[in-house]
Amino acid sequence: AQSVTQLDSQVPVFEEAPVELRCNYSSSVSVYLFWYVQYPNQGLQLLLKYLSGSTLVKGINGFEAEFNKSQTSFHLRKPSVHISDTAEYFCAVSERGSNYKLTFGKGTLLTVNP
Amino acid sequence: DVKVTQSSRYLVKRTGEKVFLECVQDMDHENMFWYRQDPGLGLRLIYFSYDVKMKEKGDIPEGYSVSREKKERFSLILESASTNQTSMYLCASMLAGSYNEQFFGPGTRLTVL
Repeated sequence: AQSVTQLDSQVPVFEEAPVELRCNYSSSVSVYLFWYVQYPNQGLQLLLKYLSGSTLVKGINGFEAEFNKSQTSFHLRKPSVHISDTAEYFCAVSERGSNYKLTFGKGTLLTVNP
Repeated sequence: DVKVTQSSRYLVKRTGEKVFLECVQDMDHENMFWYRQDPGLGLRLIYFSYDVKMKEKGDIPEGYSVSREKKERFSLILESASTNQTSMYLCASMLAGSYNEQFFGPGTRLTVL
């Protein structure tokens, strides 16, 4: 069965600093990987996804993530954060061939301070 | 763009009441989902539906039921609400065969007193 571990529950950073949110997954088969963002009192919005091909994936709002198969990781990065990036970020994994199941990590709260 | 709407953003109910949470999607997606979200626990799947009148239990179905009479609408039912069902409820939809990318509604924050 697949599982996802987000290594940091909270990440505080200053505005314009770089940030990395860490995600590791476990699966016995090939996977699809996703990062979602949730702004306060809102639903989840897809930031980016890895399906196949290039291991560096670019998403919305200047975020990118790199798929590392050997380390079973899918870390999210942004070179310079803004106050408006304050939100909760969820990593999710789905096994290829599964008909629906998306397994979520427990989330990382990113707080950007002025 | 896919739009998933939920009938209420905030809901307050009393213990023992029957509660209906409604979700509607406008993109003809086959698959629809109900999750609950609690601090420190992430999202947990309650029920899933892959077609009209078809449903499967997720990871935490106890205390919940669902109804899908039309393709675009998926309802979550709390037969007798309890305080431990106070939570954020998120609905999602997904096109079958689309790499499991799910589209989410804005959520309903339910408080059971």
